[in-house]
Amino acid sequence: SQTIHQWPATLVQPVGSPLSLECTVEGTSNPNLYWYRQAAGRGLQLLFYSVGIGQISSEVPQNLSASRPQDRQFILSSKKLLLSDSGFYLCAWGRPWDSDTGELFFGEGSRLTVL
Amino acid sequence: QKEVEQNSGPLSVPEGAIASLNCTYSDRGSQSFFWYRQYSGKSPELIMSIYSNGDKEDGRFTAQLNKASQYVSLLIRDSQPSDSATYLCAGTYNTDKLIFGTGTRLQVFP
Repeated sequence: SQTIHQWPATLVQPVGSPLSLECTVEGTSNPNLYWYRQAAGRGLQLLFYSVGIGQISSEVPQNLSASRPQDRQFILSSKKLLLSDSGFYLCAWGRPWDSDTGELFFGEGSRLTVL
Repeated sequence: QKEVEQNSGPLSVPEGAIASLNCTYSDRGSQSFFWYRQYSGKSPELIMSIYSNGDKEDGRFTAQLNKASQYVSLLIRDSQPSDSATYLCAGTYNTDKLIFGTGTRLQVFP
């Protein structure tokens, strides 16, 4: 069966510090990978998605970046965090979209507080 | 801009009642729709998917889709306190992305 893990689960960072969140998927190959952010009381905002190694699409201009160095690894980074970067970050995977499904499966989430 | 809209609630129902959650979407090209349940502080969990017009039942859950009206709903029968959570509606667009609504908070009281 497929599993998805992301870490760290919780982190508190000062403004201007760097960020690295990591996500890995097991039990499947060539998944689509996604980073979403959920601000307090808000919906899920799609940040980045990837359909393959080195292929990253950005949905929202911001000071965050994403990379996919391996097929089942997805990393979210920032060089300098802003207060507005606080939120609940969710990694998700989905099957390639030549299937009839399209659903996404989420990791446990990473709660980021920028002070 | 592609949107999925939900009433934020809270929707309060007594235990044993039917909870009805609604969602509208703007992209007529959307093909697939999903309902996720999210407990406070946790990640979303997929509970229902629906791809064609009509009803789809799974246990106490029924999803309904009306593409002409661009409307999706979720019915929860025999609601339990453990069903208290935020329910997120999502629809596909551009074939490889999911757009989520802001969620409806459901409270089931004993």
